[in-house]
Amino acid sequence: AQSVAQPEDQVNVAEGNPLTVKCTYSVSGNPYLFWYVQYPNRGLQFLLKYITGDNLVKGSYGFEAEFNKSQTSFHLKKPSALVSDSALYFCAAPFTGTASKLTFGTGTRLQVTL
Amino acid sequence: DTEVTQTPKHLVMGMTNKKSLKCEQHMGHRAMYWYKQKAKKPPELMFVYSYEKLSINESVPSRFSPECPNSSLLNLHLHALQPEDSALYLCASSQVRAGGADSYTFGSGTRLTVV
Repeated sequence: AQSVAQPEDQVNVAEGNPLTVKCTYSVSGNPYLFWYVQYPNRGLQFLLKYITGDNLVKGSYGFEAEFNKSQTSFHLKKPSALVSDSALYFCAAPFTGTASKLTFGTGTRLQVTL
Repeated sequence: DTEVTQTPKHLVMGMTNKKSLKCEQHMGHRAMYWYKQKAKKPPELMFVYSYEKLSINESVPSRFSPECPNSSLLNLHLHALQPEDSALYLCASSQVRAGGADSYTFGSGTRLTVV
């Protein structure tokens, strides 16, 4: 079975501080991993993906994620949080077969306060 | 054009009504998806179309009927829904790549309320 897990329902951080949103994975073979963000009453927006190559992946809006094979993690990070980063964040991985299907973690709500 | 457009944005329907949700993309993506999302939960996959053919049906009740008339359009026909079907319905599209490595582009969703 392949899956991703997000151990934290909510992360609180002060504006200007670094933020980390955690994701662990259980994927056979080479993992493909994604991060998406969802603002209230909106669809999901793609942030970044890991396929192969550098373990540090840079994405949209100043976000980056670190792939760690030994810890089976793909944590989302940003050096300096903004209030506007407050949203719901999903880690995701595709299940492959005749057609791929993207399956999401349970989501982590990021709350950035002044 | 780098968007997935969903209409309507909001829909209220009775349990005996028939309605349709529409999704359109002009990015040349040949895979299209319907997801259902309840409040504060992750999206759950319903259907996958690949090259306009239904390739995955995640055991969705027959009161939901998908249709892919061409490579740019995806519909979800609704009939005899239940109040528990109230949710945000998201459409997405992607390229078809080996291993499922391509990112999805999501629409903003249709907020469905069944009364």
